[in-house]
Formats: sequence, C-alpha cells, structure tokens
Amino acid sequence: GNSVTQMEGPVTLSEEAFLTINCTYTATGYPSLFWYVQYPGEGLQLLLKATKADDKGSNKGFEATYRKETTSFHLEKGSVQVSDSAVYFCASMEAGTALIFGKGTTLSVSS
Amino acid sequence: KAGVTQTPRYLIKTRGQQVTLSCSPISGHRSVSWYQQTPGQGLQFLFEYFSETQRNKGNFPGRFSGRQFSNSRSEMNVSTLELGDSALYLCASTLAGGTGFGETQYFGPGTRLLVL
Repeated sequence: GNSVTQMEGPVTLSEEAFLTINCTYTATGYPSLFWYVQYPGEGLQLLLKATKADDKGSNKGFEATYRKETTSFHLEKGSVQVSDSAVYFCASMEAGTALIFGKGTTLSVSS
Repeated sequence: KAGVTQTPRYLIKTRGQQVTLSCSPISGHRSVSWYQQTPGQGLQFLFEYFSETQRNKGNFPGRFSGRQFSNSRSEMNVSTLELGDSALYLCASTLAGGTGFGETQYFGPGTRLLVL
C-alpha cells in the first residue's frame, strides 16, 4: 500500500541554522503532498502543500518541492528560529483516499 | 472564520466504558475525517464522512463508529474502551470532500482520551 517515510528525529539545531527534513513516498497514483506541523498540546496545522510534480510549496520561510522522479518532498528552511520547535509530519493523499502520514520528526531549536 | 472545534478537549474514562467525541467543521465544509494519534502508531485514519454518509474507513475494529449530522457536525463513538484506546483523536474538515484532488484537510485541536 501507499506509505510515507520521513527521517527519524529528533533534529536539534541552533538558531539560524539550515533545516532539511527528508520525506519520501510510495503511491500507486499521483498524490498531493503536504507538510503539517504540530506544536505541543495542539492539533495539526497545514504548513505547505504541493499537488503535482515540480510544484513548490512555501510558507513562513519553509519550502518543499514535489519531486516525482525521486518520489520525495523534502522540507527546508534557510534559517530556523526557536519558535520553529515542533513536530513536523509529511503526508500524502491520493484522490478518494485519506491522508497517509509519516511518523513525524521532532525539531528542537536552541538559541 | 472559526476553525475546526472539538469537544471535549480532555477526557478520562475507565475500561469497558464508552465515549462520544464531537467535532464541528469549518463553516461551509462538508467533509469530516477522524484520525487517532498515538506515540506508537502515529497518525492513523479512522473514517471520513461526507453529506452524512461514511465514505472511507480505516482499519479499526467495529467498536469505533461515527456519524455526521445534516449541519456537517460529526461525532465518533468508541464502545467498550480498552487501555490501548488512549490517544489524541483529531478531526479534520475539508471544503468539498476527500475525493477532490489536492483537497486540504484542516485539523482541530483534538480530544485527548485517557483510558484507565
């Protein structure tokens, strides 16, 4: 079946460091891809999404590009802040189905 | 526009009891999906409702059920609670339904259920 694999955490960075969280997917069709973020004690917030190959989603300095050839959707940010500390989930969804999530990556940013 | 709301936010039950959780989607959204989040299994899909009909169902036992009302509000019920049902239950709403390509699901804050 379809699945999403993202890098295990935790990821620990200093403020202003560059962030990459890897995400790959398997799918029978052409899914939409999402990154969600979860802050402590809260639900999931949509961070960004891409719906077709070569689309780039971006929001709040985060970016991810839909790479069909490598079945990847890696999350990047050029300069992280302490407030970015959270759990990040990569997810895929094919038409007519539910979201499939990765296990989540915990990011901890220190000042 | 108000976001997805879930009630109650926290709940403590004992084994064997049943529980009902409520979800109110974003105004105008017609699809509601439910997910269970646990440290061990991560986020798992329970079911989706659209126009009062269950459209998709995940791989959970029949103790987990749901329904949707004409105003799109949804409830999920878990009967005969087990310790392993302790989790954060998240509800998500979508404007037109999960069958749309690229449909974005907007999540509520969740209901944290503890089964003792």
